[in-house]
Amino acid sequence: AQSVTQLDSQVPVFEEAPVELRCNYSSSVSVYLFWYVQYPNQGLQLLLKYLSGSTLVKGINGFEAEFNKSQTSFHLRKPSVHISDTAEYFCAVSNAGGTSYGKLTFGQGTILTVHP
Amino acid sequence: ETGVTQTPRHLVMGMTNKKSLKCEQHLGHNAMYWYKQSAKKPLELMFVYNFKEQTENNSVPSRFSPECPNSSHLFLHLHTLQPEDSALYLCASSQDSGQMNSPLHFGNGTRLTVT
Repeated sequence: AQSVTQLDSQVPVFEEAPVELRCNYSSSVSVYLFWYVQYPNQGLQLLLKYLSGSTLVKGINGFEAEFNKSQTSFHLRKPSVHISDTAEYFCAVSNAGGTSYGKLTFGQGTILTVHP
Repeated sequence: ETGVTQTPRHLVMGMTNKKSLKCEQHLGHNAMYWYKQSAKKPLELMFVYNFKEQTENNSVPSRFSPECPNSSHLFLHLHTLQPEDSALYLCASSQDSGQMNSPLHFGNGTRLTVT
């Protein structure tokens, strides 16, 4: 079984400040890792993914995440946030050795609020 | 435009009603999914279809009945629902659920309220 824990339910920051959204996972097998963003009244949009290779992954909108296998973490970072980054962010994992990669296990979500 | 269209956007139904949610994708994908997003809970996978065949049923109650007539369309038939079934139901698609480099594309969801 897999589980994902997003350590902060809400993160308020000021515009142009850096931000880190934390994600830890638990799994008995190798995993693929994802971050999705959900803007109000919309579905989820893929920000970035880690499948293999470099542990530092760059995504859209200036976000990046680093896979740390020893700490089973996949924290999301952005050096300078904008008002438009206000949204809910979801970390997710799937079984790397499985046959159904769309079977994602999601965290509870982190609401990022960027204040002017 | 996300490429995955869900209708209706909002639905209010009584516990004795029968209704259906519709999802259509214009991305040429072969896999389609239903996820449930409840308040204060993580998204839950409900069903997976790959090439029109159901490959995953995540212990979903029988009052939810999926249908996938072709790779572009996915339905979720609802009957005798409970108030706790109120949630945002998200449809997603991917090129192939068996391919690792095949990210999910989500629709905007149907907000369901059961009264």
